[in-house]
Amino acid sequence: GALVYQYPRRTICKSGTSMRMECQAVGFQATSVAWYRQSPQKTFELIALSTVNSAIKYEQNFTQEKFPISHPNLSFSSMTVLNAYLEDRGLYLCGAGQSQNTLYFGAGTRLSVL
Amino acid sequence: GDQVEQSPSALSLHEGTGSALRCNFTTTMRAVQWFQQNSRGSLINLFYLASGTKENGRLKSTFNSKESYSTLHIRDAQLEDSGTYFCAAEGSNYQLIWGSGTKLIIKP
Repeated sequence: GALVYQYPRRTICKSGTSMRMECQAVGFQATSVAWYRQSPQKTFELIALSTVNSAIKYEQNFTQEKFPISHPNLSFSSMTVLNAYLEDRGLYLCGAGQSQNTLYFGAGTRLSVL
Repeated sequence: GDQVEQSPSALSLHEGTGSALRCNFTTTMRAVQWFQQNSRGSLINLFYLASGTKENGRLKSTFNSKESYSTLHIRDAQLEDSGTYFCAAEGSNYQLIWGSGTKLIIKP
């Protein structure tokens, strides 16, 4: 079956430092990868959508300078949170699929910032 | 490992009608959440349930942890209800385990 692994599951970083999280797709081709962050209201906001061999599309309020994403092949993507501060705390979710309309989700990476 | 089976995978409803989505769990889950993925790709949290039933407008959700399932009922469906609906169960280690989604199409 289709599986999406995210790691680390939990991480803590010091304020002002950066933290990289990874997303691995198993059993299918992850042509599209969407990265989300869970808001205080528990809704997952879309950070960006990446399609292999295409430009990464960032949503309003999220930038490549803050959340650089790599999507080098059909099974892997990573996202870094640069200069993390308290407001960057939360659960980051990766959804991967053959299209943005058919995504399988990972368990999330929970980021704490000290 | 822990699994979530979501059904149906696709559903087509006429405006004004209703139906139910269901998620079955292979093990005991702490809680369940239901999300709607809208046309912009955001996942909107509809319900968080540790037990029992919650209702919000035309949506109602039930979580029966003993019998390992959860349902999401939609009544009087409207065009804006179209989208993909996901359940996500919270396992014993608080990790989210996702269902495969239900693509809901509402027809005029």
